Amino acid sequence: AQTVTQSQPEMSVQEAETVTLSCTYDTSESDYYLFWYKQPPSRQMILVIRQEAYKQQNATENRFSVNFQKAAKSFSLKISDSQLGDAAMYFCFIQGAQKLVFGQGTRLTINP
Amino acid sequence: DTGVSQDPRHKITKRGQNVTFRCDPISEHNRLYWYRQTLGQGPEFLTYFQNEAQLEKSRLLSDRFSAERPKGSFSTLEIQRTEQGDSAMYLCASSLGRGGYNEQFFGPGTRLTVL
Repeated sequence: AQTVTQSQPEMSVQEAETVTLSCTYDTSESDYYLFWYKQPPSRQMILVIRQEAYKQQNATENRFSVNFQKAAKSFSLKISDSQLGDAAMYFCFIQGAQKLVFGQGTRLTINP
Repeated sequence: DTGVSQDPRHKITKRGQNVTFRCDPISEHNRLYWYRQTLGQGPEFLTYFQNEAQLEKSRLLSDRFSAERPKGSFSTLEIQRTEQGDSAMYLCASSLGRGGYNEQFFGPGTRLTVL
């Protein structure tokens, strides 16, 4: 079975500061991919960043980067230079050949 | 192509009625996914198609739920004998599958309310 745990239901950060959202997971599959998706209020889910589990190098995408610790089954998202447009629900997601599981989400608020 | 579209956007029905939702994926995408999302929760996987073949079904997909993807293009999700617990947002997503698992592009969802 696969599980995804986001232990922070809500987070807030000052504009221009850095924030880290945590995610831990469990899986019995050897080949899987990890994602962070963002769901702005009343808007569609969009991809933030993707990580192949077989790659040791942490993925980065502009202001977004991950800290992928495979042995610890941890996949945290760091947002640098936070902007007002980053306010959203953030979901950690694992996809393997047999299972697809989202975490329960972290609501991120940006304080101006 | 303007992305994944879903129809209708909202559906209100009475308990016991049947409902059908449609999803039109991005045209070149061979993979199509259905999820259910309740308020304040993450999406829950329901089922997944690669072209016209339904490859995975969640245990959440009871015998009242059925999904099809004829000709590997659009997909429909039907719920028979709706129950109040079926009230949720139903999300469709598509992706291009060429080895591995790529970004899923999500539609706006169909919000179902069962009275």
